[in-house]
Amino acid sequence: KAGVTQTPRYLIKTRGQQVTLSCSPISGHRSVSWYQQTPGQGLQFLFEYFSETQRNKGNFPGRFSGRQFSNSRSEMNVSTLELGDSALYLCASSFFILTSYNEQFFGPGTRLTVL
Amino acid sequence: ELKVEQNPLFLSMQEGKNYTIYCNYSTTSDRLYWYRQDPGKSLESLFVLLSNGAVKQEGRLMASLDTKARLSTLHITAAVHDLSATYFCAVDMSSGTYKYIFGTGTRLKVLA
Repeated sequence: KAGVTQTPRYLIKTRGQQVTLSCSPISGHRSVSWYQQTPGQGLQFLFEYFSETQRNKGNFPGRFSGRQFSNSRSEMNVSTLELGDSALYLCASSFFILTSYNEQFFGPGTRLTVL
Repeated sequence: ELKVEQNPLFLSMQEGKNYTIYCNYSTTSDRLYWYRQDPGKSLESLFVLLSNGAVKQEGRLMASLDTKARLSTLHITAAVHDLSATYFCAVDMSSGTYKYIFGTGTRLKVLA
């Protein structure tokens, strides 16, 4: 079974630009979460999507947005990039069952560098 | 606001020695996870702890959860070089959805 895939793996942008990152969950998984990892702030939750609906959102400015498609693939967008947005962006997926717990599986990440 | 603290932040230990990493969290939760991250890599799931008193073991690693004390431990027995990595604990903030709050991470270096 293929794991979580993220594209692109590496990205270099300049301040003020916008970027879109993509995540394909494990087949059958309907929940997709996004996390930002930086040396200073560590791993921080961005948002979670399930069945094309955002169910949870972390404490990030409105420049960070996301969406999920009907096939569960997800994208996140960062507009007006700032130097501090340089980070590893991790996507995680899970097969959600309401009455049970299912762990999250993480993708390899997208390394974004903002110059 | 939920805070998750790990200690130590850095750990350098000799092969063959034992050590424990601690994970404290500030609000009630009975779901805690441990992950491993190698440099430049993603997160690898190690343990899922879902109830008070849960104990899980895999090889030289053993994790436990005390929800009353809001404490989880990751014990390393007879460390080997291959265990060198950064270890994170994470607490699930929400019921029925996924919102993990991660600890600061413990960078472990096992010296031969």
